[in-house]
Parts: sequence; C-alpha cells; structure tokens
Amino acid sequence: AQSVTQLDSQVPVFEEAPVELRCNYSSSVSVYLFWYVQYPNQGLQLLLKYLSGSTLVKGINGFEAEFNKSQTSFHLRKPSVHISDTAEYFCAVSSDGGSQGNLIFGKGTKLSVKP
Amino acid sequence: EADIYQTPRYLVIGTGKKITLECSQTMGHDKMYWYQQDPGMELHLIHYSYGVNSTEKGDLSSESTVSRIRTEHFPLTLESARPSHTSQYLCASSDLGGSAYNEQFFGPGTRLTVL
Repeated sequence: AQSVTQLDSQVPVFEEAPVELRCNYSSSVSVYLFWYVQYPNQGLQLLLKYLSGSTLVKGINGFEAEFNKSQTSFHLRKPSVHISDTAEYFCAVSSDGGSQGNLIFGKGTKLSVKP
Repeated sequence: EADIYQTPRYLVIGTGKKITLECSQTMGHDKMYWYQQDPGMELHLIHYSYGVNSTEKGDLSSESTVSRIRTEHFPLTLESARPSHTSQYLCASSDLGGSAYNEQFFGPGTRLTVL
C-alpha cells in the first residue's frame, strides 16, 4: 500500500530565509508525486508534480522539489520565502496501480513566515 | 472561466438533519472526487466517480452518499447529520485520461459543523 509521511507538522521561518518541507513516500510501484498548497479558507492548488524525467521539478511561486528514488523522498524547497507563502502544504502520491490513480495525501505541513 | 464550485461554504446544522453539499465544475472533467479534511490529518478520499452513473467508495469509510446524474454535478448527502460528521469537505475534479497523473483541481471546500 502507498503512504506519504510529512516529517514536520509546522515550520516557522523568517521572511527571505530558505525553507525545505520534507516528504517521504512508500510504494512498491512507480509513482507520480505532487505538492499542493492550501491558503486559509481555500481549496488546494497544485504547486508542482513529478511524473518522469528530470528529478528536479520547478513549480509556481518559485518552489522546486527533488525526487530521490533511493531515499523515497520528494522534498519541497524555496530559496527565499515571502509572507505570502504562509499556508499549508500537502505532499501526495499516486500510481497506475491498484489505487485507480487516486491521490494519497500526507498530513500537511503548516509553513508560517514571520517578518 | 472554467472552475469548480462548492456551496455552501459554511454550514452549521443540528443533529439529525439531512444535508446536501453541492459541487459543480465547468472544467469539462469526467472524474470527480470528495475528500474529508480534519485539522492536522491527511485528506481522506471518501467518494469518487468516473462519470455519469458511476460512484465508488474511497479509502475512508463514510456514512455519506453521492450521486452523478450530470457530468458537471456531484452532490454529497448525509441523511442524518451527527457531530462526528463535523469536518471540511473538499470536492475535486480531473480529466479521466486513463492515467494517474492527471492533475486534480479543487473547490474551496465546505466547512460543516453539526451541533
């Protein structure tokens, strides 16, 4: 069975500092990996996705993530955060296997950017 | 503009009432989903549909039911609401495409409180 672990439930950081949000997954088959962002009182918005090819994936708002198959990780990074990046971030995995392509989500990481 | 809509955004209701949460999309998508989201927890898939007259149960058992009579409309119903149903409910849609990597687009959510 697939699962996703987000290692940090909350990450406080100062504005303009770099940030890394960690995500590990478990799956016995090839996977597709996603990061979604949820701003307060809104639905989820796709930040970026890894399907195949280059392991470094660039997304919207200056975020990027690196797929590491040997470590089964897909950590999200941003070199310099803004106050507006304050939100909850969800890592998710899917596959073409038994899950019918449905997403499995982690518990989320709340990023809090302080001035 | 193509979008996904949920109404109501907030609902406070007494125990035993029947409620229907509405979800509509103008994305032209075949596949639709309902997720349940509690604070600090994963998003859990409770229902999904591949198209008209198709409904499937998700990973998390739910007392709610869904219907898909029109492609663009995927309402969720609770016949008798209980305090344990208090949660945020998110609707999403995606292309069917036969693949697990189709991006899911999310509505803004309905926050349900059952007293």
